[in-house]
Amino acid sequence: ETGVTQTPRHLVMGMTNKKSLKCEQHLGHNAMYWYKQSAKKPLELMFVYSLEERVENNSVPSRFSPECPNSSHLFLHLHTLQPEDSALYLCASSPLTVGQGFATNEKLFFGSGTQLSVL
Amino acid sequence: GESVGLHLPTLSVQEGDNSIINCAYSNSASDYFIWYKQESGKGPQFIIDIRSNMDKRQGQRVTVLLNKTVKHLSLQIAATQPGDSAVYFCAENNAGNMLTFGGGTRLMVKP
Repeated sequence: ETGVTQTPRHLVMGMTNKKSLKCEQHLGHNAMYWYKQSAKKPLELMFVYSLEERVENNSVPSRFSPECPNSSHLFLHLHTLQPEDSALYLCASSPLTVGQGFATNEKLFFGSGTQLSVL
Repeated sequence: GESVGLHLPTLSVQEGDNSIINCAYSNSASDYFIWYKQESGKGPQFIIDIRSNMDKRQGQRVTVLLNKTVKHLSLQIAATQPGDSAVYFCAENNAGNMLTFGGGTRLMVKP
């Protein structure tokens, strides 16, 4: 148990559906992340939130919409996804050092992921 | 949860032997390195980390070696066990950036 909980574990959705992934961390960290892990690429950073504000968005399509209502919860809202979006979506949290104009992360704690299949 | 489908390098070892997993990094400015283990159906789990002011760090049954001259990182697992079978990722970071992950190596332990 890493202290980062993701639900659901598995999700099958059609291209016209709207669904949300949920992540909750019990570690007292101030940064949370969404990563995508697909069959053809290494781990890809999607979004970073620090103190509930988005600090990084790596050119992710707008059909993925993150939400961070507080430092313990993170959502990824999905709509009109494509089959190529099928992947394992991992949430992570970490202490985040913000200073001197930059943010840097180190040890990430990952959840078990949501295995998403888009039909 | 592992990157099935990726052409991952695979290391096959006999139970009880030592394993060495290697990683080359590209950014000479990277000053922090970390190893993760990902078992099937799970997210990556932290194993050990090291900063660039060190060249070796030991944990329980694991040792990380850092060679900054050739930008090489290795993870050594002593007395490998079946439970060590997983995909292992290295990641690097330098101040002002986020962790950058490598593609991973699959470790298979033969009983």
